[in-house]
Amino acid sequence: QPALAQPASVSGSPGQSLTISCTGTNYDIGTYNYVSWYQQYPGKAPRLIIYDVSDRPSGVSHRLSGSKSGNTASLTISGLQAEDEADYYCSSYSSSGTLEVFGRGTKVTVL
Amino acid sequence: QVQLQESGPGLLEPSGTLSLTCSVSGDSISSLYYWSWIRQPPGKGLEWLGYIYYSGSTNYNPSLRDRVTISIDTSKTSFSLRLTSVTAADTAIYYCARGLRSGDYFEHAFDIWGHGTLVTVSS
Repeated sequence: QPALAQPASVSGSPGQSLTISCTGTNYDIGTYNYVSWYQQYPGKAPRLIIYDVSDRPSGVSHRLSGSKSGNTASLTISGLQAEDEADYYCSSYSSSGTLEVFGRGTKVTVL
Repeated sequence: QVQLQESGPGLLEPSGTLSLTCSVSGDSISSLYYWSWIRQPPGKGLEWLGYIYYSGSTNYNPSLRDRVTISIDTSKTSFSLRLTSVTAADTAIYYCARGLRSGDYFEHAFDIWGHGTLVTVSS
């Protein structure tokens, strides 16, 4: 049972904004700002797109942004494009024992 | 440019021991980073297995603690994963990854990943 809850899938039309939620507990997202997001295309390794809740590594599109409120973190994709169609995973540091916890992943479909 | 490459057997029998190596190029393992193993069962999500600091200290996922060992090769150019008593549930793509560092701090994120290697446990 993954520690972080994500919707299985979300979809949107090109140009729209889309938000993926990631819900944890006070042992992880609610207490620590070590929330990260990964983008994964089929057959490829995950790619870090957000860390520390809202920081972007060099080279990551500014259309991708992260935020957090309470025990829930969010990834927003603005100006949705065909290239955004992928699986997205959230992750957080956790003090519950498993130091690094992931969500089950959300499949983004561009209609 | 740092690159990671996993290697090891792709097929194991149940009750056997999984051994994988992650070769690091473009950087030294002795450079204040955390080096991690993460796996992904086919069609499923990611699971953190553990990591090792350049000094050799380790942290493991409690669900695997009795079966998993991560070590650094004495040449300091690779690190390894050992998982004992494997079952079909251990069938997955295994990734090695580098922990993101900002200054002297580990950001609990993984910025460099290998391509992954599929390990199948079957008789």
